[in-house]
Amino acid sequence: QQQVKQSPQSLIVQKGGISIINCAYENTAFDYFPWYQQFPGKGPALLIAIRPDVSEKKEGRFTISFNKSAKQFSLHIMDSQPGDSATYFCAARPGAGSYQLTFGKGTKLSVIP
Amino acid sequence: DVKVTQSSRYLVKRTGEKVFLECVQDMDHENMFWYRQDPGLGLRLIYFSYDVKMKEKGDIPEGYSVSREKKERFSLILESASTSQTSMYLCASTPWGSIAGNTIYFGEGSWLTVV
Repeated sequence: QQQVKQSPQSLIVQKGGISIINCAYENTAFDYFPWYQQFPGKGPALLIAIRPDVSEKKEGRFTISFNKSAKQFSLHIMDSQPGDSATYFCAARPGAGSYQLTFGKGTKLSVIP
Repeated sequence: DVKVTQSSRYLVKRTGEKVFLECVQDMDHENMFWYRQDPGLGLRLIYFSYDVKMKEKGDIPEGYSVSREKKERFSLILESASTSQTSMYLCASTPWGSIAGNTIYFGEGSWLTVV
């Protein structure tokens, strides 16, 4: 079964610190890797995404690092803020033309002052 | 502003009841999805639909059915609710031709408790 393994399940970071969430996959047919951010009581919203032909993508304080050979990708949140406290999901698309995503199990991030 | 609306945010139902969860999108999207979200399990796809009256099973369809009579509306049906179906249910939509995940929009979720 196609899977995306996400860790850690929960993360506590001091304000101003770096938050790092990791995901790993097995299916080499995955070709698109988005990250979603979900605040309590809300649905997930797309945060940032990367394709496997790129090793890094940065948008503001959020960076995805992608290691194709290791089949791993990670989300880095620089200068973490209390407003970043949310649940983060990594996901992967199983090939072009597919509308289904395989999601990781989520990481609950708490940024403390 | 794009909108996926789940009309029932919080429901409490009894075991054995038939439950309808409604989802409406105003973006003229072809594809619609129902996910179930549980702590520690992430999002799991129940069913999706790529056109009116069309449906495909996702990863966990057992105990659920769906209906899509109009393009904008996708309903999730629990024929006989069980306590194991207590969960948060998320509806989502995306248009044809989009990169999956690039323009997928989620509703705010429906919290269902079965007692």
